[in-house]
Amino acid sequence: GAVVSQHPSRVICKSGTSVKIECRSLDFQATTMFWYRQFPKQSLMLMATSNEGSKATYEQGVEKDKFLINHASLTLSTLTVTSAHPEDSSFYICSPVAGGSYEQYFGPGTRLTVT
Amino acid sequence: GDSVTQMEGPVTLSEEAFLTINCTYTATGYPSLFWYVQYPGEGLQLLLKATKADDKGSNKGFEATYRKETTSFHLEKGSVQVSDSAVYFCALSANQGGKLIFGQGTELSVKP
Repeated sequence: GAVVSQHPSRVICKSGTSVKIECRSLDFQATTMFWYRQFPKQSLMLMATSNEGSKATYEQGVEKDKFLINHASLTLSTLTVTSAHPEDSSFYICSPVAGGSYEQYFGPGTRLTVT
Repeated sequence: GDSVTQMEGPVTLSEEAFLTINCTYTATGYPSLFWYVQYPGEGLQLLLKATKADDKGSNKGFEATYRKETTSFHLEKGSVQVSDSAVYFCALSANQGGKLIFGQGTELSVKP
């Protein structure tokens, strides 16, 4: 099956700092990338959608200046949480879509804790 | 807008019991329907899917049938194992490769 990696898997940062999360599709090219957020005991909520080389489209209520998404290549997308606050503590999951097949895969997730 | 509703958990069963997790949806058009599973500490994995009415998705002993008349996609397994303990998410997508809308998830715990 397709391999998707996220780095880091866990990160603890201080309030006010920024954190970058990387998502890589290791054996396929992802023309589209979804970023989801999952709070404890809750479902996944879509944050934004990005297509390679284009600006991301953000869901209602998600601040684009706070959650910076870069999809610079077909195998790498990054999510940067800027000026993180404790309420940003969550599980962030990337989901690349393979070009052509439209199969959607999920990364293992990144647990962010803001202290 | 489109939405997915799942039965609330947690669901606790004994090994070899029959499992049903209910899922209903609201959507315009004809969405594709999915079941994903999330094992403890891991990411989501596609369990099964169905892309049109009356299709049955199946995998690892799990089954779900796309019922347009009742807008449902209930997950079933005839005999659960301890290793099936996980959180199960029902989801829909309005178009191929499009964003997924998830239900709230149902935690399943299977006791030996």
